[in-house]
Amino acid sequence: GENVGLHLPTLSVQEGDNSIINCAYSNSASDYFIWYKQESGKGPQFIIDIRSNMDKRQGQRVTVLLNKTVKHLSLQIAATQPGDSAVYFCAEKRDSWGKLQFGAGTQVVVTP
Amino acid sequence: SAVISQKPSRDICQRGTSLTIQCQVDSQVTMMFWYRQQPGQSLTLIATANQGSEATYESGFVIDKFPISRPNLTFSTLTVSNMSPEDSSIYLCSVGMGSPNEQFFGPGTRLTVL
Repeated sequence: GENVGLHLPTLSVQEGDNSIINCAYSNSASDYFIWYKQESGKGPQFIIDIRSNMDKRQGQRVTVLLNKTVKHLSLQIAATQPGDSAVYFCAEKRDSWGKLQFGAGTQVVVTP
Repeated sequence: SAVISQKPSRDICQRGTSLTIQCQVDSQVTMMFWYRQQPGQSLTLIATANQGSEATYESGFVIDKFPISRPNLTFSTLTVSNMSPEDSSIYLCSVGMGSPNEQFFGPGTRLTVL
């Protein structure tokens, strides 16, 4: 079946540095992607989304980049803070109902 | 966005019993979804629950094991039936809002089956 996967299971980042989390997807027809942050003991928190007609979208300290040519999605976090420590998931909208296919997740660990 | 609550937040259950998880949303939504997140893993969609129709289950999930109710536009329940230790997971509900169906998640129910 179609998969949404991540390249790195764990990312260790020094506080203040920028983080980049990568995600590959296989369904070239996908038109909507979301990044979620999941802190320990909590449900996934919506961070930012992007439609397939865009290459880049910026939020507060976060930027999502979409490269449809190579079916690659990335989340950039600027000036990473201890509060950014969490698991990050990319998700791909599967159908018109809004079902999501989640990637494996990347654990981001922010070190002082 | 939406404020989503789930009850219970966690439970420890005996093998062979059933647990019903409640999901309450602070606004009316058409689409509600139930996911399972096994320990250390990603989220897997169990079923889609729309008000006024039968839930739609994903491959590998069946109604007898995971019956779902959706009595109105702000509430849904998921029952985990005849539980075994393999059912130990976090169960999450989510709601779809807006276009193109941004999804927001509840805090999850952490289930441990002994």
